[in-house]
Amino acid sequence: EPEVTQTPSHQVTQMGQEVILRCVPISNHLYFYWYRQILGQKVEFLVSFYNNEISEKSEIFDDQFSVERPDGSNFTLKIRSTKLEDSAMYFCATRTSGIRGTQYFGPGTRLLVL
Amino acid sequence: AQKITQTQPGMFVQEKEAVTLDCTYDTSDPSYGLFWYKQPSSGEMIFLIYQGSYDQQNATEGRYSLNFQKARKSANLVISASQLGDSAMYFCAMREPDSGGGADGLTFGKGTHLIIQP
Repeated sequence: EPEVTQTPSHQVTQMGQEVILRCVPISNHLYFYWYRQILGQKVEFLVSFYNNEISEKSEIFDDQFSVERPDGSNFTLKIRSTKLEDSAMYFCATRTSGIRGTQYFGPGTRLLVL
Repeated sequence: AQKITQTQPGMFVQEKEAVTLDCTYDTSDPSYGLFWYKQPSSGEMIFLIYQGSYDQQNATEGRYSLNFQKARKSANLVISASQLGDSAMYFCAMREPDSGGGADGLTFGKGTHLIIQP
């Protein structure tokens, strides 16, 4: 069964460094999302992406975040200058078109900012 | 106000018993979708079941069913014949509107930690 994959599974970085999280969507999926989950808390929506542009973003998704699909396969989330509070699990999710399309989540990248 | 409320932070259930996980939601949009995801200790998010606001029937997927009470704005997950492998966090989530467009980030509840005891 096709699935969403994410790399790396874990990343440790120093505060102020840039990180890029990568996601490979399910092949026929057209809508892409990033979510984060701070340890022990609920999952929070960051951004949705369709047709090579952002469809919606939350208040969390400020200027330090960016997304792109540079090569038509990978979908990336860049955090320009990481802060301690960016430490979280980051999930990519993707879905097909259609009004009943379900978002399928990748396994997540656990980011630790020191 | 919380969009999704899960009032049970934790539940202990005996194996083979049925379990109901509560979820209430708040929206003024007539078109919305409700989802349940399972998060085992390994951390991944596993889709379980979906209910659209216009669906006439309650959704079912194997041992999972959704008790959708629209007037009460509740979407409780029912797991029949619970198994040890059902032990996990369970999250209720909502998409509004449920229109198929790209602006459909899910709003999640805080989750219920379900532990199945042998």
